[in-house]
Amino acid sequence: GQNIDQPTEMTATEGAIVQINCTYQTSGFNGLFWYQQHAGEAPTFLSYNVLDGLEEKGRFSSFLSRSKGYSYLLLKELQMKDSASYLCAVRRGGNNRKLIWGLGTSLAVNP
Amino acid sequence: NAGVTQTPKFQVLKTGQSMTLQCAQDMNHEYMSWYRQDPGMGLRLIHYSVGAGITDQGEVPNGYNVSRSTTEDFPLRLLSAAPSQTSVYFCASSYTIAGGPNEQFFGPGTRLTVL
Repeated sequence: GQNIDQPTEMTATEGAIVQINCTYQTSGFNGLFWYQQHAGEAPTFLSYNVLDGLEEKGRFSSFLSRSKGYSYLLLKELQMKDSASYLCAVRRGGNNRKLIWGLGTSLAVNP
Repeated sequence: NAGVTQTPKFQVLKTGQSMTLQCAQDMNHEYMSWYRQDPGMGLRLIHYSVGAGITDQGEVPNGYNVSRSTTEDFPLRLLSAAPSQTSVYFCASSYTIAGGPNEQFFGPGTRLTVL
């Protein structure tokens, strides 16, 4: 079957670093996305990985290992506004045109 | 650019009523999709389209119809509303890459309650 696993909840302290993991088991792989969703709002795109390695974008970085079916999102210098849900999604490619979504990780940043 | 717009923002229906949720984008994106989001269930794909005149089912298509007569518009029709369709509905659009969606832009959502 197709499956994406993320931790349900995480807490961290303002100014710290947090790593949110995502593991996937899918038939086919052609890219992994991370989205941020604040409570009551729509998801917004954060990052995209299709090759192994680290993609850095300001305070946010995302890592992918295709052989391990594993990705993580790294948030540095945490701010209160980073309190949100973080969603991992996999695109399988080929004839499959749908994303598979994880249930999301709810991150609470405490002062 | 307005991005992805959805109307209405809120809606209350009675069981058995029908309605259409509107979605429009002005980015010339080929790929458009409808999701519903329920607590503990994550985003679930209802229907999607890879271009005008082409639609396909997602994970949870029952009770919903879509059409894509233009690149810009992708309305979602609830045929006969049921309480199980109470949810937040998001429309999203993107360019396509390798046949699938690229970075998706989401509309603000429609909060639907069916009594």
